[in-house]
Amino acid sequence: GQNIDQPTEMTATEGAIVQINCTYQTSGFNGLFWYQQHAGEAPTFLSYNVLDGLEEKGRFSSFLSRSKGYSYLLLKELQMKDSASYLCAVKDSNYQLIWGAGTKLIIKP
Amino acid sequence: GAVVSQHPSRVICKSGTSVKIECRSLDFQATTMFWYRQFPKQSLMLMATSNEGSKATYEQGVEKDKFLINHASLTLSTLTVTSAHPEDSSFYICSARPRGQGESGELFFGEGSRLTVL
Repeated sequence: GQNIDQPTEMTATEGAIVQINCTYQTSGFNGLFWYQQHAGEAPTFLSYNVLDGLEEKGRFSSFLSRSKGYSYLLLKELQMKDSASYLCAVKDSNYQLIWGAGTKLIIKP
Repeated sequence: GAVVSQHPSRVICKSGTSVKIECRSLDFQATTMFWYRQFPKQSLMLMATSNEGSKATYEQGVEKDKFLINHASLTLSTLTVTSAHPEDSSFYICSARPRGQGESGELFFGEGSRLTVL
């Protein structure tokens, strides 16, 4: 079966750095997305990786290793507004998006 | 950037009634729209894929007679929850893929609609 694993919840301190991991087992791979979702709102796009390596976008970076079925989202200089759920999603061989359950990130002052 | 608007954002209805949720792409045309359901603390569950001018493709386990999807134009898709029951209470989210983008194109999400069935 297809599976996306990410931690259920993480806690970090304002100003610090946090890494949210995502491992996947899917039938084929056509890209990995990270989305941010605040409570009660729809997800918003953060990043897209299709090749191995690190993609940096401001305070957020996303890394992909296709051979390991692994990605991480790195958030730097954490702000209180970064408190949200972070969803990892993979496009399989049929270009269907398989979603992880999300990681709830709690930022403490 | 591309904007997808979903309406209503919140709706409360009585059991047995039908509710329609609209998903509009405001500044782009979308040949494909997706409808998701999300339970608290759970992932997005794809319900169906809606293609303009054709019948929606439903995921396994989703009742097509219960969740009617219409994609009448390149900017509008609707989800109608027929004869709603309390177990249909959920957060429904749509997303749209801009026309001309391939399968790997970015999706843009609506704000979501929270349905509460009493």
